Amino acid sequence: EAGVTQFPSHSVIEKGQTVTLRCDPISGHDNLYWYRRVMGKEIKFLLHFVKESKQDESGMPNNRFLAERTGGTYSTLKVQPAELEDSGVYFCASSPTGSTEAFFGQGTRLTVV
Amino acid sequence: AQSVTQLDSQVPVFEEAPVELRCNYSSSVSVYLFWYVQYPNQGLQLLLKYLSGSTLVESINGFEAEFNKSQTSFHLRKPSVHISDTAEYFCAVTQPYSGGSNYKLTFGKGTLLTVNP
Repeated sequence: EAGVTQFPSHSVIEKGQTVTLRCDPISGHDNLYWYRRVMGKEIKFLLHFVKESKQDESGMPNNRFLAERTGGTYSTLKVQPAELEDSGVYFCASSPTGSTEAFFGQGTRLTVV
Repeated sequence: AQSVTQLDSQVPVFEEAPVELRCNYSSSVSVYLFWYVQYPNQGLQLLLKYLSGSTLVESINGFEAEFNKSQTSFHLRKPSVHISDTAEYFCAVTQPYSGGSNYKLTFGKGTLLTVNP
């Protein structure tokens, strides 16, 4: 069974550009989470989907970030326009309904220059 | 609000030595506790978790952690480490029954365990 897959693994963009990160969760997992780790800091929660619905967006830093999960399958996280402070590693995780165990992807390392 | 403190950012040890990675948490409600591990160039993997019951939990590769409610700690231990245990270890908490199935995690900053020959 495939694990959680994230694309791309690395992205380097200039300040002001747009970047879209993609996450393919484990098939059948209704819960999908996005997290971010800024260098030297802890991994922080961004948002949570149940199927295609956003359940908790309390960690989204500002309105330059837009997450979608059309059809309740894969999810995208768009940053527009990107700022220097958006640099970090973005993790996606998924879990089945009612499960406390989250399965993480390898992360996307975003560098904004 | 919850918070997690991992007191050591880096822990270097020699192979076959014992190790303890410390984790303390703060929460006004009961919590579930987790240790995740990230090996080089890989994603985070669940190492072990405490939900309820016995306060001592074990992983399949020899790690154990003990939930201490009075000290609000969940330290990770291994009596004898291997080179292959070199990785970054993250302590995390979530709140039970936080509404629906939202088990969002609050992480500590991580501890880099380096096992030297």
